[in-house]
Amino acid sequence: AQSVTQPDIHITVSEGASLELRCNYSYGATPYLFWYVQSPGQGLQLLLKYFSGDTLVQGIKGFEAEFKRSQSSFNLRKPSVHWSDAAEYFCAVARTDSWGKFQFGAGTQVVVTP
Amino acid sequence: EPEVTQTPSHQVTQMGQEVILRCVPISNHLYFYWYRQILGQKVEFLVSFYNNEISEKSEIFDDQFSVERPDGSNFTLKIRSTKLEDSAMYFCASSEGMDRAQYFGPGTRLTVL
Repeated sequence: AQSVTQPDIHITVSEGASLELRCNYSYGATPYLFWYVQSPGQGLQLLLKYFSGDTLVQGIKGFEAEFKRSQSSFNLRKPSVHWSDAAEYFCAVARTDSWGKFQFGAGTQVVVTP
Repeated sequence: EPEVTQTPSHQVTQMGQEVILRCVPISNHLYFYWYRQILGQKVEFLVSFYNNEISEKSEIFDDQFSVERPDGSNFTLKIRSTKLEDSAMYFCASSEGMDRAQYFGPGTRLTVL
């Protein structure tokens, strides 16, 4: 069965430090991959997406993610976090044969300290 | 920048009552979705909708749920007889095409008492 795992429920990072959020998926083929961010009281905002091609994708707000087929991973990174990056981050996967049905990870809560 | 909007932001209802959650997708989008997030749990897919019919639905989306696009702009989720366990945040999303990213609204928090 298809699954999406975000191993880190909670991450605390200092402002200006780098951030990496992990996402692993289990699926028989390469799915479509996404990262969303949810600030308190807000909806889910798309950060970036991977469909095919270059495995390093750039997104908004200075985020990037790298697809590694061999590790079934799609980790999100930011070189230098800002206090406004404090939010919950969700990895999502869509099967290429069942497009509309996104499957989400449990989310990683990011806290940014001064 | 165009965005998905949802109303109301918070709905409180009594168990057994019917509720309608409303969404206005992005205007040139053709595919529409509902998801829900029970407090402390993952965001779960409920249903996708295209060309005035359901494309896919999850096992959660049973007979008490229905969706409709009553006019050219709104997309609604109706829960016929609410249960306590329907309390959740409900998100609407839309996409331009089947292989495009989904854009989410801010959600409606449904509380069933």
